[in-house]
Amino acid sequence: AQSVTQLGSHVSVSEGALVLLRCNYSSSVPPYLFWYVQYPNQGLQLLLKYTTGATLVKGINGFEAEFKKSETSFHLTKPSAHMSDAAEYFCAVSDTGNSGYSTLTFGKGTMLLVSP
Amino acid sequence: EPEVTQTPSHQVTQMGQEVILRCVPISNHLYFYWYRQILGQKVEFLVSFYNNEISEKSEIFDDQFSVERPDGSNFTLKIRSTKLEDSAMYFCASNRGPPRDEQFFGPGTRLTVL
Repeated sequence: AQSVTQLGSHVSVSEGALVLLRCNYSSSVPPYLFWYVQYPNQGLQLLLKYTTGATLVKGINGFEAEFKKSETSFHLTKPSAHMSDAAEYFCAVSDTGNSGYSTLTFGKGTMLLVSP
Repeated sequence: EPEVTQTPSHQVTQMGQEVILRCVPISNHLYFYWYRQILGQKVEFLVSFYNNEISEKSEIFDDQFSVERPDGSNFTLKIRSTKLEDSAMYFCASNRGPPRDEQFFGPGTRLTVL
């Protein structure tokens, strides 16, 4: 069984400050990991993903995440927050179900608040 | 850029009524999914669909739920007799494959059961 834990339901930063959103996962197979962002009244948009290979992955809007197998973590960072980054962020792990097909398991989400 | 679309954006229904939520996945995608998000809770997997049949389903996806791809473009989720606890945001997603790769999500349908 797979699971995702996101520490902190809300994270507040000032514009220009470092953004760090934490994600820990468990998976019975080598994980595929994703960060999605949800702006108000919109669907889930992929920020970045890790499948295999380089453990530091870069995504859209200046975000990046590092896969650390030893820590079972996939934290999301951005060096300098913009007001437009205010949204809800979801970490997800893709595992293989009983039939061999994929299921996505999400964390509870972290609301990022950016103040001027 | 192609995107997943969902209709309606908001559906209000009475308890016990049937609802059908509609999705148009991205046209060259092969795998289709439904997820739901109850207010304040995490996004939960409901069902995946490939090659015109269900490939995986969660414990949530009981006999009250069904999915269908009635033509080459639509993908529907039917709830036969809605309960209050079915109130949630329902997201459709699709991907081209392999199945473990990123899924593209629609904007969701907010279902309110009164």
